[in-house]
Amino acid sequence: GAVVSQHPSRVICKSGTSVKIECRSLDFQATTMFWYRQFPKKSLMLMATSNEGSKATYEQGVEKDKFLINHASLTLSTLTVTSAHPEDSSFYICSASRLQGQPQHFGDGTRLSIL
Amino acid sequence: GNSVTQMEGPVTLSEEAFLTINCTYTATGYPSLFWYVQYPGEGLQLLLKATKADDKGSNKGFEATYRKETTSFHLEKGSVQVSDSAVYFCALSEGYSTLTFGKGTMLLVSP
Repeated sequence: GAVVSQHPSRVICKSGTSVKIECRSLDFQATTMFWYRQFPKKSLMLMATSNEGSKATYEQGVEKDKFLINHASLTLSTLTVTSAHPEDSSFYICSASRLQGQPQHFGDGTRLSIL
Repeated sequence: GNSVTQMEGPVTLSEEAFLTINCTYTATGYPSLFWYVQYPGEGLQLLLKATKADDKGSNKGFEATYRKETTSFHLEKGSVQVSDSAVYFCALSEGYSTLTFGKGTMLLVSP
């Protein structure tokens, strides 16, 4: 149990495009979802924490208007990178937990490449 | 604040060699400690965890012991396989609410 699916796994698009990444908990209801960004040879940086039905809490330095997070249901959270530029190219990983304070289960990540 | 420091890689070993990846942490409270593994092109998978001092987490031949006195959680495996090649992340959490990750250590195992 506790499977998290992330889609798409890879996306390549032109600069200025907005890109939506989906994170779904397939066999459990996720009250809390997390979005991470992973730079090459560096660790995962938490971008934001979202609780179902409420606004996401962004980490310091993460632009809210750039990275739009929606957690409208207990099984789906989306991250939209608006007007993406090459510097937004990265590996984005989501995780989900049944309740705040419960273990996180990770998706397989999305490789975003902006040309 | 909380932080995790782990040895820089890559760690290059021959098959059946002994593996140690060092991890030390700084925490304001009494954290739980984790090792995650990331295979190429994939997300993170929980490898093992320990929630209190002297606990030993183990899985797939990997082990790590929560050492409060040295604030360490070193990962070990007695005999590595080519299929163990991956990036390993040490992490801590206080109440699971937020994970703090180390920078990751790449392990390369050759036949």
